[in-house]
Amino acid sequence: EAEVAQSPRYKITEKSQAVAFWCDPISGHATLYWYRQILGQGPELLVQFQDESVVDDSQLPKDRFSAERLKGVDSTLKIQPAELGDSAMYLCASSLGGDSYEQYFGPGTRLTVT
Amino acid sequence: KQEVTQIPAALSVPEGENLVLNCSFTDSAIYNLQWFRQDPGKGLTSLLLIQSSQREQTSGRLNASLDKSSGRSTLYIAASQPGDSATYLCAVGSGNTGKLIFGQGTTLQVKP
Repeated sequence: EAEVAQSPRYKITEKSQAVAFWCDPISGHATLYWYRQILGQGPELLVQFQDESVVDDSQLPKDRFSAERLKGVDSTLKIQPAELGDSAMYLCASSLGGDSYEQYFGPGTRLTVT
Repeated sequence: KQEVTQIPAALSVPEGENLVLNCSFTDSAIYNLQWFRQDPGKGLTSLLLIQSSQREQTSGRLNASLDKSSGRSTLYIAASQPGDSATYLCAVGSGNTGKLIFGQGTTLQVKP
């Protein structure tokens, strides 16, 4: 069964360092989402791509976060510099697009900033 | 602004019991509603998707209902098992982009 892949699964970094996460959606899925989940809360959307274009990045802290999906397939989310408050689970999801909005999630990347 | 609330925040039941998890949302103009399961430290597993035109969906021991007019959804779990222990998240698809707005989840413990 096709799955959303994410790496790394765990990342520990020091404050002010740069960190990057990678996501490979299910093959053929045009829409890709990055969510952040703080412990004990539900995920919140950071950025949404339709193919290689950003559809919604209204909740992305653009002074330190950036995201790209250059060829409309896999995607990278970057944080520079990392802050203590960025410690969270970063989840990637994909959907087929069109009228199908059912989202499939990857295993997530657990980030700890020290 | 769409807000999603899940009650209760935590629930503990004995094995075999039937149970209901509740989800409420403030804006009835939704595209769909999805229920997810999340095990500790893991990603989300989709359980059921209800389109806005539907009233309910069933999968095995799970049944989810949707009442848009009252802004409510319920997830019914029949004959609960210890393996059902997890956090259950309700998410509402709003607007025309498929963006999901999540509740904070209900953490379920099923005791043997």
